[in-house]
Amino acid sequence: AQSVAQPEDQVNVAEGNPLTVKCTYSVSGNPYLFWYVQYPNRGLQFLLKYITGDNLVKGSYGFEAEFNKSQTSFHLKKPSALVSDSALYFCAVRDPGAGSYQLTFGKGTKLSVIP
Amino acid sequence: DGGITQSPKYLFRKEGQNVTLSCEQNLNHDAMYWYRQDPGQGLRLIYYSQIVNDFQKGDIAEGYSVSREKKESFPLTVTSAQKNPTAFYLCASISRERNSPLHFGNGTRLTVT
Repeated sequence: AQSVAQPEDQVNVAEGNPLTVKCTYSVSGNPYLFWYVQYPNRGLQFLLKYITGDNLVKGSYGFEAEFNKSQTSFHLKKPSALVSDSALYFCAVRDPGAGSYQLTFGKGTKLSVIP
Repeated sequence: DGGITQSPKYLFRKEGQNVTLSCEQNLNHDAMYWYRQDPGQGLRLIYYSQIVNDFQKGDIAEGYSVSREKKESFPLTVTSAQKNPTAFYLCASISRERNSPLHFGNGTRLTVT
């Protein structure tokens, strides 16, 4: 079975400071990992994914994420936070070896960027 | 532009009534999903369909039903048997490529009183 944990319900960061949103995962094989962002009353928007290769993945809006196999983590990062980054962030995992297209989502982390 | 359309955006119903939420996609995706979102609980899978005329229960299927008569459409019916139907419902689809991300609609907020 696959699972995802986002240990922080909320992250507060000052505008211009670096931000990190944490994610750890559990799968039996090699994971496909995804980050999504959700603004109020909207659907989820895809930010970035890790499939294979370089452990540092770059995505939309200046976000990046680092895959760490030994720590089973996939933390989302941005060097300089913007107020407009304030939203709900979801990490998700898929185990391609399980033969399923299903994603398992974390419970989400609310990011608040303070002006 | 290709995408997923969910309608309506807001829906209000009286307790005891069935209600159907629409989901249409023009991305030519084979697989479609319905998720329920409640505050602090993330996304929970209700039903999914990987091909026309076939669908499977997700983690919280009780009180819900679906159909998949066309590739483009995957409507969700919230029945009177669903004990706590008030929630935000999200439809998603995905292509056959294994490393593809899910594409989401903008959701329907259902309020049952």
